[in-house]
Amino acid sequence: GENVEQHPSTLSVQEGDSAVIKCTYSDSASNYFPWYKQELGKGPQLIIDIRSNVGEKKDQRIAVTLNKTAKHFSLHITETQPEDSAVYFCAASPYNNNDMRFGAGTRLTVKP
Amino acid sequence: DVKVTQSSRYLVKRTGEKVFLECVQDMDHENMFWYRQDPGLGLRLIYFSYDVKMKEKGDIPEGYSVSREKKERFSLILESASTNQTSMYLCASIRSSYNEQFFGPGTRLTVL
Repeated sequence: GENVEQHPSTLSVQEGDSAVIKCTYSDSASNYFPWYKQELGKGPQLIIDIRSNVGEKKDQRIAVTLNKTAKHFSLHITETQPEDSAVYFCAASPYNNNDMRFGAGTRLTVKP
Repeated sequence: DVKVTQSSRYLVKRTGEKVFLECVQDMDHENMFWYRQDPGLGLRLIYFSYDVKMKEKGDIPEGYSVSREKKERFSLILESASTNQTSMYLCASIRSSYNEQFFGPGTRLTVL
């Protein structure tokens, strides 16, 4: 089955700096890679996703890159703000999405 | 907006008690999921259901059962709660053939 590894487990940056979180996956059948943000006291919420036919996707300050050959994908947050502080999860899934596997999570702290 | 609600935000139970966690979604989604979230382990799938009265085991079903009598409601049952089931429990739902999972706010269960 799929195994998703996520690094780092904690990340602290200064406001305005960039943050990068990396994930690797093992199953070449995975073709959908979402990123979720979980704020304190809330459930995870999708912030961006990418499918295997695309190498990069951007949405304002957030971007995700995918390298299918190396089986890794990354989340990039630019111009970080204190409200970006949260736990971020990557995940990988085959098309049917009943077998989505999550990374262990990264706790991002943005210092004002 | 899709809404996934969970019956309790915090729950404290004693060892051996039967525990019911309820999840309701209001968007007519076919698929529903129960995850367990523990620090450093990410989200692990306990059970999922792709239709009324249908269920499939996830990665860690031992000690849990589920019930889906109506499309909008998915219940997680701990037949005899144990201290190692102290955790955050997250429910999610998704429409078939789509990818984004919508999560509830979670139930933090403590078993004493």
